[in-house]
Amino acid sequence: AQSVAQPEDQVNVAEGNPLTVKCTYSVSGNPYLFWYVQYPNRGLQFLLKYITGDNLVKGSYGFEAEFNKSQTSFHLKKPSALVSDSALYFCAVSSNYGGSQGNLIFGKGTKLSVKP
Amino acid sequence: ETGVTQTPRHLVMGMTNKKSLKCEQHLGHNAMYWYKQSAKKPLELMFVYSLEERVENNSVPSRFSPECPNSSHLFLHLHTLQPEDSALYLCASSQLRGGRDTQYFGPGTRLTVL
Repeated sequence: AQSVAQPEDQVNVAEGNPLTVKCTYSVSGNPYLFWYVQYPNRGLQFLLKYITGDNLVKGSYGFEAEFNKSQTSFHLKKPSALVSDSALYFCAVSSNYGGSQGNLIFGKGTKLSVKP
Repeated sequence: ETGVTQTPRHLVMGMTNKKSLKCEQHLGHNAMYWYKQSAKKPLELMFVYSLEERVENNSVPSRFSPECPNSSHLFLHLHTLQPEDSALYLCASSQLRGGRDTQYFGPGTRLTVL
């Protein structure tokens, strides 16, 4: 069965410092990995995805994520955090395996808090 | 966010009411989705429509009834709901690509069942 784990409920970072939001996954077939961000009272906004190719994926708002097949991880990173990055971040996985292709499985979310 | 719109944004209803949530996508996609987001629970996929046919129904109670009249519109009809159905209901759309497609979400409808 496909699953996604976000081990941290909350990540606290000082503005200007680098940030990392962790994600590990389990999937049959080739994994397709996604990061979404949710601001209060809003829907989910797509940040970036890994399908194939370069393991380092760059996305919106200066975010990037590194696909690590051996560790089955897809951690979200940003070199210098902004207060406006404070939000709820979701990792999600789908695959090309089986009858539920395209169905995203989401992690429970990590709340990122960036303090001035 | 204007690619996928949802109405109403907020809805309060009694347990005996009947109401409908509406979703419209302006992205030319061929798949649409309903998700439920409850506090402290992962997003739950409720229904998937691919080319206007329902292809996924994740054991959702029959008090939730989806309808997809065309590729741009998706409805969720609600009747005799329970207080535990209070949640944020999110609609999404994508262009199917064998699992590689990106889903784009609407802003959601915040539902409160009294």
